[in-house]
Amino acid sequence: DTGVSQDPRHKITKRGQNVTFRCDPISEHNRLYWYRQTLGQGPEFLTYFQNEAQLEKSRLLSDRFSAERPKGSFSTLEIQRTEQGDSAMYLCASSSPLNEQYFGPGTRLTVT
Amino acid sequence: AQKITQTQPGMFVQEKEAVTLDCTYDTSDQSYGLFWYKQPSSGEMIFLIYQGSYDEQNATEGRYSLNFQKARKSANLVISASQLGDSAMYFCAMREGRRALTFGSGTRLQVQP
Repeated sequence: DTGVSQDPRHKITKRGQNVTFRCDPISEHNRLYWYRQTLGQGPEFLTYFQNEAQLEKSRLLSDRFSAERPKGSFSTLEIQRTEQGDSAMYLCASSSPLNEQYFGPGTRLTVT
Repeated sequence: AQKITQTQPGMFVQEKEAVTLDCTYDTSDQSYGLFWYKQPSSGEMIFLIYQGSYDEQNATEGRYSLNFQKARKSANLVISASQLGDSAMYFCAMREGRRALTFGSGTRLQVQP
């Protein structure tokens, strides 16, 4: 399978715990994006990388969120001290510059 | 102001008929791209069609076509010959310059047999 993959697909955690999600983009894509989608809404941009450089971060990305793409390949998104409002689907996408973004299946986070 | 507006929260269409899903956008950029994605109940976002701001022809991909009216800032998706498998959420999105996508709130399409 050469599409975007995300792991885990589902995560249930207790409020206050830390969680980390992983995204593996399509191998030849140098751009990687993270979005968050809450129920009934469209995805909202969180951050994106070109190779290993994090080029833009949304105001939605509070200090509790951090994202890395250490070698310009896979990326991780960490949420520290989770809150119930963090419950959402976290989507990863990758693209070549100025081309369409291909999305992974998402990680559904539930904070109890 | 909303960057992408989808005014139809839900739409019904009979199988084999055509349906138009509305999308209007707001940007001051000259160079931008417009996208439509489909999201079935499984949750994955599936790319359908792309229209560049400088493209003079309306984009088409199989049963999907994009009715691009630049002066009106609209980019409606037309699905011809609807199939039961077309039932899903549909999102319009815009990319301004090299930035990430901005999505609308989506339209839920239900195809009835």
